[in-house]
Amino acid sequence: GENVEQHPSTLSVQEGDSAVIKCTYSDSASNYFPWYKQELGKGPQLIIDIRSNVGEKKDQRIAVTLNKTAKHFSLHITETQPEDSAVYFCAASRADGLTFGKGTHLIIQP
Amino acid sequence: DAGVIQSPRHEVTEMGQEVTLRCKPISGHNSLFWYRQTMMRGLELLIYFNNNVPIDDSGMPEDRFSAKMPNASFSTLKIQPSEPRDSAVYFCASTSLGAGQETQYFGPGTRLLVL
Repeated sequence: GENVEQHPSTLSVQEGDSAVIKCTYSDSASNYFPWYKQELGKGPQLIIDIRSNVGEKKDQRIAVTLNKTAKHFSLHITETQPEDSAVYFCAASRADGLTFGKGTHLIIQP
Repeated sequence: DAGVIQSPRHEVTEMGQEVTLRCKPISGHNSLFWYRQTMMRGLELLIYFNNNVPIDDSGMPEDRFSAKMPNASFSTLKIQPSEPRDSAVYFCASTSLGAGQETQYFGPGTRLLVL
């Protein structure tokens, strides 16, 4: 089955700086890679996703890159703001089901 | 759309009691997933249904756990008997598989505490 590794487990950055979270996956058949943001007491919410036929995708301050050869993908958040503080999960999907990484607790320091 | 609805939001019970968690998926979605989240193990897929049929239950911890989906708009996850190690947040998610969409939409979760 699929195995997704996510790093770091905790990331602290100064407000306004950039944050990068990295994930690797094991199954080359995986073709869909979503990122979820989970705030305290809530369920994970999709913030951006990328499919295997695309190398990069941007949505305002967030971007995701995918390297299929190396089987890794990353989430980039620029100009971080206090409301970006949350736990972020990467995931990889084949035809059905998602395998999640263990999550990254992002802390934005004022 | 109201999104995925889960009930109850919080449940406190004593070891040995039966616990039933409920989920209403987003209307029109044909797939439903049950996850368990703990600090130690993160988000784990327990079981998923496609068109009300259980497809993969390999993540269900043991026979004490069972899940049903009697129709397209309702699913239950039952734990009987419950144990303290079952304490976790249980999420339900839904999506439309087979329509080119894999995005899963999560409910708010049920926080279960077994004493």
